Amino acid sequence: SQQGEEDPQALSIQEGENATMNCSYKTSINNLQWYRQNSGRGLVHLILIRSNEREKHSGRLRVTLDTSKKSSSLLITASRAADTASYFCATVPYNQGGKLIFGQGTELSVKP
Amino acid sequence: SAVISQKPSRDICQRGTSLTIQCQVDSQVTMMFWYRQQPGQSLTLIATANQGSEATYESGFVIDKFPISRPNLTFSTLTVSNMSPEDSSIYLCSATTVTNTGELFFGEGSRLTVL
Repeated sequence: SQQGEEDPQALSIQEGENATMNCSYKTSINNLQWYRQNSGRGLVHLILIRSNEREKHSGRLRVTLDTSKKSSSLLITASRAADTASYFCATVPYNQGGKLIFGQGTELSVKP
Repeated sequence: SAVISQKPSRDICQRGTSLTIQCQVDSQVTMMFWYRQQPGQSLTLIATANQGSEATYESGFVIDKFPISRPNLTFSTLTVSNMSPEDSSIYLCSATTVTNTGELFFGEGSRLTVL
């Protein structure tokens, strides 16, 4: 039931650099969300963007959504070693009872 | 927000046995979901746990293999039945709160290894 494709699958950067992750999906959505998962842990919600929004900011996070292209991007600015984690986009497909469908994820490594 | 507790956090099981995972939320929630995360993979939705009625299963998952209960608003169980090594995964419980901001809260997961 995977809906999202993410790229890159893995990303390695230096502290202070920006990290950009992309997500594409297939069906109409109510909203799109980004989550972070530290190794061996549960998921933490980062940000939600609704289908009628184009851009959203939260601290060092910037998310864009292009519903015409069925794609989203997550930008983390001024990355820190503590940002090292897996990042997943997840969509709430329209008219499917609010369930969340996850993409494949991007593994981000930030080197000090 | 909601804090979700899952137990067991990990277990090693023998082939052919069954294991029940419990999920407890500290506040009233609307929807509860169970996900599976196989090693190195993303999350796959198993089912939506419905209070007082049968769970709604996703394609590829059946009640006989993954029976789910949700007797009240804050508690659910997932049983992995007749386990095989292919069932070795992390099983995650998640929920949305009554304020329905849209985000899912997750438990820390239950890591099952089947020998």
